[in-house]
Amino acid sequence: EAQVTQNPRYLITVTGKKLTVTCSQNMNHEYMSWYRQDPGLGLRQIYYSMNVEVTDKGDVPEGYKVSRKEKRNFPLILESPSPNQTSLYFCASSLYGVEGAFQPQHFGDGTRLSIL
Amino acid sequence: KQEVTQIPAALSVPEGENLVLNCSFTDSAIYNLQWFRQDPGKGLTSLLLIQSSQREQTSGRLNASLDKSSGRSTLYIAASQPGDSATYLCAGVQGGSEKLVFGKGTKLTVNP
Repeated sequence: EAQVTQNPRYLITVTGKKLTVTCSQNMNHEYMSWYRQDPGLGLRQIYYSMNVEVTDKGDVPEGYKVSRKEKRNFPLILESPSPNQTSLYFCASSLYGVEGAFQPQHFGDGTRLSIL
Repeated sequence: KQEVTQIPAALSVPEGENLVLNCSFTDSAIYNLQWFRQDPGKGLTSLLLIQSSQREQTSGRLNASLDKSSGRSTLYIAASQPGDSATYLCAGVQGGSEKLVFGKGTKLTVNP
């Protein structure tokens, strides 16, 4: 089954304790991306990756890191989490052709992070 | 910077009604426009994708159009059903980048 898998689904942790949210897709997609969703602010892109070893900042990258060492995986790293990073996080992937030629994005089920 | 706006924020209609959801964007240099559905506590499901060279896409009771010159996209839902109740989001890919910019969504309630 084609899917984007995020882990964990829920996490409560404390300020400053490094954490990683994993994202894996089984569709051989080139494009992967992380978003956060907050009430009143909607979905905002954190980072995206066009392919292995190619990543770029979205609109709200501060406080986050990503890596793309394998095509299927795109982990989101919070080196020193703070309460303002409490949010619902989504990973997504899609095929990507010539410039701008996205195919439909496939989303994971989300990770709800609470930073105390 | 591309900004995407969806109005209204919420819409309630009786079952069977045809309806239109609106999405506007500030920069006409948009590569494509996607419409998504989000159910409570769930991720997003892609409904329709309109590439820059296209004007509309259809899937079942859904029809999405894209007018780059006016900076607008619409999602038409025919013969609405209670199962259509969800939040609908549009998102555009900014020309010259690979960033995806989302609107804040329209929460649709279809009453039986």
